[in-house]
Amino acid sequence: GAGVSQSPSNKVTEKGKDVELRCDPISGHTALYWYRQSLGQGLEFLIYFQGNSAPDKSGLPSDRFSAERTGGSVSTLTIQRTQQEDSAVYLCASSLAGNLKNIQYFGAGTRLSVL
Amino acid sequence: GDSVTQMEGPVTLSEEAFLTINCTYTATGYPSLFWYVQYPGEGLQLLLKATKADDKGSNKGFEATYRKETTSFHLEKGSVQVSDSAVYFCALQGGGQNFVFGPGTRLSVLP
Repeated sequence: GAGVSQSPSNKVTEKGKDVELRCDPISGHTALYWYRQSLGQGLEFLIYFQGNSAPDKSGLPSDRFSAERTGGSVSTLTIQRTQQEDSAVYLCASSLAGNLKNIQYFGAGTRLSVL
Repeated sequence: GDSVTQMEGPVTLSEEAFLTINCTYTATGYPSLFWYVQYPGEGLQLLLKATKADDKGSNKGFEATYRKETTSFHLEKGSVQVSDSAVYFCALQGGGQNFVFGPGTRLSVLP
């Protein structure tokens, strides 16, 4: 079936506005991950979901960041009161769970620009 | 905590040159190790993986061997092509479900 789908592909917003980024994982993948990739930087882990619960939220950079997942499928990453330093590519990945050897499949990302 | 270190880029090579991108890791237990590649304008995709010591992952002419004694997983290719130009990320999956990625190494191959 289809791969991991993220929307929008690009988002330009003004400082102080809230934004929502969406991720549709591969059907049947119970694990879902959010990462942030800043210009010239590596991947920064944000949060991981197993089903609808988030056992690891350790990477969320501040309380302005939150994420939820419903129905064990679609996930939304919300950034409130955006700041210029939030500008980055936000990547979503999904994988089958229950096995530590599983592979992550990545979406193409959402490029967020905060003016 | 777990961590991954890769050689700083960018790496610039001529076509048909030999490639090595170093990767070392710190982890408790026995992590699985991965190389992901990100071609220009595209998302990350798995290049190869190894799940236990002495395993060799290989794909598209690239190879990497899981060396527990040196905690390394260096990426190699005998003859690079222009189409190999991309950013390469070393990653591990340790005791939890989380993945830890290195900072990435940008490779440019010139014709």
